[in-house]
Amino acid sequence: DVKVTQSSRYLVKRTGEKVFLECVQDMDHENMFWYRQDPGLGLRLIYFSYDVKMKEKGDIPEGYSVSREKKERFSLILESASTNQTSMYLCASRLQGSFNTEAFFGQGTRLTVV
Amino acid sequence: AQKITQTQPGMFVQEKEAVTLDCTYDTSDQSYGLFWYKQPSSGEMIFLIYQGSYDEQNATEGRYSLNFQKARKSANLVISASQLGDSAMYFCAMRDRNKLVFGAGTILRVKS
Repeated sequence: DVKVTQSSRYLVKRTGEKVFLECVQDMDHENMFWYRQDPGLGLRLIYFSYDVKMKEKGDIPEGYSVSREKKERFSLILESASTNQTSMYLCASRLQGSFNTEAFFGQGTRLTVV
Repeated sequence: AQKITQTQPGMFVQEKEAVTLDCTYDTSDQSYGLFWYKQPSSGEMIFLIYQGSYDEQNATEGRYSLNFQKARKSANLVISASQLGDSAMYFCAMRDRNKLVFGAGTILRVKS
């Protein structure tokens, strides 16, 4: 059974803290994504990676960075957390080059910044 | 850039009835793919159905079918014989190169 695992379901952090959200997939997928989900806005892409050490900005990269040192792991970093980064964060992976395969998602991390 | 529009923030349906969730898209590509996902209150994203732009028939998966109207750029999800477990958020998405672009979602509530 395919799996995308996010390190935490719930996280509470203080303003100004450096926050790491970790995501691991076991499907050998090249592509990995970080989305942010907010009510009324759907899922918005923060960053994605199409290979180890390769990354591309999504629609809302400001305030975030990412790291992909190994194929199976994709980390989202909030350099200095702010209250407007309180949200649900979803990691996903997908097979590259395949036209019709879906993205597989982790269970989500609900981050609260106080 | 691709764009997905879901105009229904929330919908109600009576158990055992059919319901249609709307999705329109905007793209200049000739070849594209459309996906529907379900997100229950637990938060996980569950893939439901896929439609390719060159598929001649509308996609179906069990109680889910896709009403694909290419000229209108719409890809509405039809759920037949609604069940209480269908209560969830539903997202329409489009493939944009190697990533997926999502709509704002529709919350569906099934009434008993």
